[in-house]
Amino acid sequence: AQSVTQLGSHVSVSEGALVLLRCNYSSSVPPYLFWYVQYPNQGLQLLLKYTSAATLVKGINGFEAEFKKSETSFHLTKPSAHMSDAAEYFCAVSYFGYNRLAFGKGNQVVVIP
Amino acid sequence: DVKVTQSSRYLVKRTGEKVFLECVQDMDHENMFWYRQDPGLGLRLIYFSYDVKMKEKGDIPEGYSVSREKKERFSLILESASTNQTSMYLCASSSNGLAGGPSDTQYFGPGTRLTVL
Repeated sequence: AQSVTQLGSHVSVSEGALVLLRCNYSSSVPPYLFWYVQYPNQGLQLLLKYTSAATLVKGINGFEAEFKKSETSFHLTKPSAHMSDAAEYFCAVSYFGYNRLAFGKGNQVVVIP
Repeated sequence: DVKVTQSSRYLVKRTGEKVFLECVQDMDHENMFWYRQDPGLGLRLIYFSYDVKMKEKGDIPEGYSVSREKKERFSLILESASTNQTSMYLCASSSNGLAGGPSDTQYFGPGTRLTVL
């Protein structure tokens, strides 16, 4: 079955520093991969998704992620963190058919002024 | 603009009560999903539906049931609430049903924080 692993439940980053959130997937078929963000007291919002069109995917709010098949990874990055990036971030992989998703455990990002 | 609404943001119930959580989407989507979110566990799928009156079990269906009588509405039912069902419940929807691709985006509601005393 498809699954994703996100390490480090809490990630602290200084304002202006690089944001790097790691996601590794396990899939027996070519995966579709997603990053979602959850701001405090809100539902999840799509940041970006990989659908095999391009390995480097650009999303909203300056985030991007690179699909690396050889490393089974889909890490999320942003060159310069803003205070507004404080949120929880989830990586997810899609099951084939019905658009069923398996989520990672999430990374709570804290931005330090 | 895409919208998924949930009937309550906060809900407090007593053990043994029957609880209904309602979700409505206005995007004419075929697929609808119920997740629960717990700290350190991420989101886990309870049930989903790919068409009216159709439902499929997710990863943690025990203690829950669902109802989908109309395309836009998907209800989660706790037949007899227990304290271990205290959680955040998130509803989502996506398009295309059975023909849908695995790359479709899911759109989420704001969540219902349920406390069972």
